[in-house]
Amino acid sequence: AQSVTQPDIHITVSEGASLELRCNYSYGATPYLFWYVQSPGQGLQLLLKYFSGDTLVQGIKGFEAEFKRSQSSFNLRKPSVHWSDAAEYFCAVGAGNTPLVFGKGTRLSVIA
Amino acid sequence: DAGVTQSPTHLIKTRGQQVTLRCSPKSGHDTVSWYQQALGQGPQFIFQYYEEEERQRGNFPDRFSGHQFPNYSSELNVNALLLGDSALYLCASSLGAGGHYNEQFFGPGTRLTVL
Repeated sequence: AQSVTQPDIHITVSEGASLELRCNYSYGATPYLFWYVQSPGQGLQLLLKYFSGDTLVQGIKGFEAEFKRSQSSFNLRKPSVHWSDAAEYFCAVGAGNTPLVFGKGTRLSVIA
Repeated sequence: DAGVTQSPTHLIKTRGQQVTLRCSPKSGHDTVSWYQQALGQGPQFIFQYYEEEERQRGNFPDRFSGHQFPNYSSELNVNALLLGDSALYLCASSLGAGGHYNEQFFGPGTRLTVL
């Protein structure tokens, strides 16, 4: 069965600093990979997704993620964090016609 | 263009009661999926509706049931509530039967508290 691990429960970064959120997955075939963001009181918003092709994926709000098959990872990055990026971030994996499996999330705090 | 809407926003019930949550999909979308998000966890897939039928179901007991109406809106019903059913219930809409991988748009959720 597929699974997703987000090793960091909570990360704090300074505004303007770079960000990397880790995601490791377990799946037998080539997975579909997603990153979602959830702000307080809001639903999830899709940041980016990887299905195939170029392993570096660009998303909204200046985020990007890189698929590394050898490491079973799909880490999310942003070169310069803004205070409005403070939120909960979820990595998700799926394939075929199976439902998405989400990680437990990483809470991002941004300090001045 | 209204996005996905859910009602009510918050709900408090007692053990053993029944609850109905409602979802209106984004305009033009025909597929609705329901997720349960317990505190400190990621969303877990409950089931998906397309063409008024349950197309897929996650690992949830029969106490969880749903319905999709001709206008594509949907309801989630939970019977015999348990304390462990306390969670944020998210509805997501998408277009087409391949609804997991067509982009899903999520509503803000309904916070259910079972006392």
